[in-house]
Amino acid sequence: DAKTTQPPSMDCAEGRAANLPCNHSTISGNEYVYWYRQIHSQGPQYIIHGLKNNETNEMASLIITEDRKSSTLILPHATLRDTAVYYCIVRVSGGYQKVTFGTGTKLQVIP
Amino acid sequence: NAGVTQTPKFRVLKTGQSMTLLCAQDMNHEYMYWYRQDPGMGLRLIHYSVGEGTTAKGEVPDGYNVSRLKKQNFLLGLESAAPSQTSVYFCASSPQATGSNGYTFGSGTRLTVV
Repeated sequence: DAKTTQPPSMDCAEGRAANLPCNHSTISGNEYVYWYRQIHSQGPQYIIHGLKNNETNEMASLIITEDRKSSTLILPHATLRDTAVYYCIVRVSGGYQKVTFGTGTKLQVIP
Repeated sequence: NAGVTQTPKFRVLKTGQSMTLLCAQDMNHEYMYWYRQDPGMGLRLIHYSVGEGTTAKGEVPDGYNVSRLKKQNFLLGLESAAPSQTSVYFCASSPQATGSNGYTFGSGTRLTVV
């Protein structure tokens, strides 16, 4: 199972871009990078995923390095509601795979 | 579209009591999972199921049993609750199809064992 490494915490000023890094140096060729976030004690919520190309949706952008060993989740204009724990995982996009959720990055958006 | 629904949302048990947590999904997902989350820790996989009638152990299965008699439901049982099982429990599901958004999580069950 590919594993990921994330910084335990980050701060970001409200209205600025939040850039959350993730290392996944052992990622396999068919594994995608997924990002989820968990607000307070709610269930984790899907944000975005990608294989090797950069991806953007209404919530965020995902930048994956060319060697696929790391990625960055970008929240372009962070708001207080973006304060949450952000999890980066790698897995195949369909089917079953045993995945380890680490402790993620606690993002604190500061007014 | 409700997604993944967990019941109950909160429960207090006495040591030695038993209970069942219910997870229901309406997305026709093949795979279902039970996780527990303790303060300062990530999500740890208890049991999972790759289809109706099948179950398998995850990272921390001791003290729990599961059943998946219907595709849409995944039950987690505690036969004799212990204080160490005080935690927040999350159910999740995911589809077989590629290109999916991966996991859909429920809102959690907060269990306290006294």
